[in-house]
Amino acid sequence: GQQVMQIPQYQHVQEGEDFTTYCNSSTTLSNIQWYKQRPGGHPVFLIQLVKSGEVKKQKRLTFQFGEAKKNSSLHITATQTTDVGTYFCASNDYKLSFGAGTTVTVRA
Amino acid sequence: DAMVIQNPRYQVTQFGKPVTLSCSQTLNHNVMYWYQQKSSQAPKLLFHYYDKDFNNEADTPDNFQSRRPNTSFCFLDIRSPGLGDTAMYLCATSREQGARGNIQYFGAGTRLSVL
Repeated sequence: GQQVMQIPQYQHVQEGEDFTTYCNSSTTLSNIQWYKQRPGGHPVFLIQLVKSGEVKKQKRLTFQFGEAKKNSSLHITATQTTDVGTYFCASNDYKLSFGAGTTVTVRA
Repeated sequence: DAMVIQNPRYQVTQFGKPVTLSCSQTLNHNVMYWYQQKSSQAPKLLFHYYDKDFNNEADTPDNFQSRRPNTSFCFLDIRSPGLGDTAMYLCATSREQGARGNIQYFGAGTRLSVL
């Protein structure tokens, strides 16, 4: 599978603030998926991005796929305590190759 | 209702004592995956079945085996667990392989401790 690098590894956010996590590849990706894993839980599918420059929103979450299809980002606005967890991007060929994940903690 | 069910949720075994983890799915998906996830790491694919076709990852130790007797069930056998096999084991399913059909649904996982 295609390798994806994800940064930052950890994100400590004040409740109410925004943050962004980034996913980068050295090769063009056919598409990319994002998953969320709550502490002690299992990965849950959030979104799949397919088209160059695609932007999708889910309430306070905005997902973007780069024009060159080599990078993706997840932006969360007005962070809440329910956003705590690890967010993984994954390149998607015949199998998923996960990035290392961004673990988000929220200060109330 | 859970669509991918793993049993047991927690398993403790002794060093070298074989252990079997089970996964069942009600989604009628063609593909079933087994991942190993160690603390603070991403899930690592061990192998997957596309229908009855078994696909092993190159770096999966021989100590790990799998069986898929039918569409609904898949088992992970660890023949001689070592201390380094302590991890969460995740089962996942997808309707198809390939870029378009590969949204994966994960079970709750089995947390394995090898003592």
